[in-house]
Amino acid sequence: DVKVTQSSRYLVKRTGEKVFLECVQDMDHENMFWYRQDPGLGLRLIYFSYDVKMKEKGDIPEGYSVSREKKERFSLILESASTNQTSMYLCATSRPSNFAEAFFGQGTRLTVV
Amino acid sequence: AQSVTQLGSHVSVSEGALVLLRCNYSSSVPPYLFWYVQYPNQGLQLLLKYTTGATLVKGINGFEAEFKKSETSFHLTKPSAHMSDAAEYFCAVTYSGAGSYQLTFGKGTKLSVIP
Repeated sequence: DVKVTQSSRYLVKRTGEKVFLECVQDMDHENMFWYRQDPGLGLRLIYFSYDVKMKEKGDIPEGYSVSREKKERFSLILESASTNQTSMYLCATSRPSNFAEAFFGQGTRLTVV
Repeated sequence: AQSVTQLGSHVSVSEGALVLLRCNYSSSVPPYLFWYVQYPNQGLQLLLKYTTGATLVKGINGFEAEFKKSETSFHLTKPSAHMSDAAEYFCAVTYSGAGSYQLTFGKGTKLSVIP
């Protein structure tokens, strides 16, 4: 079974803190994605990566950065957390095909206070 | 730009009744279409997908969806709802030749099943 593991299920951080969300996959997938999920807004793509050290901005990259130093690991970084970044964050992976299934992690519910 | 519209943010059905969740997409090229399900406090998992070929697609847990190009629709159905179907459902689209393999998701429909 594909396993996509996010480092934390729940996280509480203070405004202004630098926050790291980690995602690790064990299926050797080239593509990795970070989404945020908010009620009534569905899933919105923050960043994605199709190879090591490669990254592309999604629909809402402002206030975020990413790092992909190894194929299996994709990190989302909130440089200076703000309350409007309180959300559910979902990591996903897929093979490099337009119709490849995306596999999701369990999600990290981040609260910024 | 690709987009997906899910009609109804919340749908309630009685146990044993037909489930119908609506999804319409916008596209100028042939789409690939997906339905995902999210159970409480979990990530998303694939229910079914349409790529090419047969327009009626069967998925897991008795769900199916039909691709109708003339209506730009990909509605999800299940003949008889079960309590365990209560979850949030997301329709998603991507396109041939998109290159970046991004999925665009709808805003989701939360399904409640009444005993």
